[in-house]
Amino acid sequence: QPVLTQPPSASGTPGQRVTISCSGTSSNIGGNVVNWYRQLPGTAPQLLIYNNNQRPSGVPDRFSGSKSGTSASLAISGLQSEDEAEYYCAAWDDGLNCVLFGGGTRLTVL
Amino acid sequence: QLQLQESGPGLVKPSETLSLSCTVSGGSVARRNYYWGWIRQPPGKGLEWIGNIYHDGTTYYNPSLKSRVTIFVDTSKKQLFLRLNSVTAGDTAVFYCAWGTYRHLFDYWGQGTLVTVSS
Repeated sequence: QPVLTQPPSASGTPGQRVTISCSGTSSNIGGNVVNWYRQLPGTAPQLLIYNNNQRPSGVPDRFSGSKSGTSASLAISGLQSEDEAEYYCAAWDDGLNCVLFGGGTRLTVL
Repeated sequence: QLQLQESGPGLVKPSETLSLSCTVSGGSVARRNYYWGWIRQPPGKGLEWIGNIYHDGTTYYNPSLKSRVTIFVDTSKKQLFLRLNSVTAGDTAVFYCAWGTYRHLFDYWGQGTLVTVSS
């Protein structure tokens, strides 16, 4: 069972700003960086945000990440239809000595 | 830009061993410290980390799978391998190999390969 908690779903209309939360503990998010991955339907996940708030080359600045304490958030502004995807947070857990993924949030653009 | 490609049998019988390989091409893998990893995704479900291997051979495994998993590499051939013993139907999943510069980070992913456990 995923130890990082995400809402199962989120939605917004084109142009809106949407945020997706990721909640953990001091063993994972509280003490380590958070990465976010986007998985478009039928494809492999892709790195979207790393080190809490850094964007890999090619990722638009509409995507931003933040972290505070044992929680992290992914924000998507100027929502577009092609943003419909599953979004996963991930972090290292010092207690379990492993990578944890959140359960994923399915974003729907209405 | 690294490209990763998984390969292996798409069907494995219960109680047998699942064996997959992953070949990386492109980029300059040898010039940086790096990790390779395996992640799986059961049909319709989320991602589950299986394990990583550092370029020096150090391995990290998901505690829930540790007793059944082996990850190893052939650096000269730029290949990563996964073995999962004593599989059950619950191990049916799309298996992804990934490459990253930190043990918690996966910069590049393969396209994934579906492995079904069934008799």
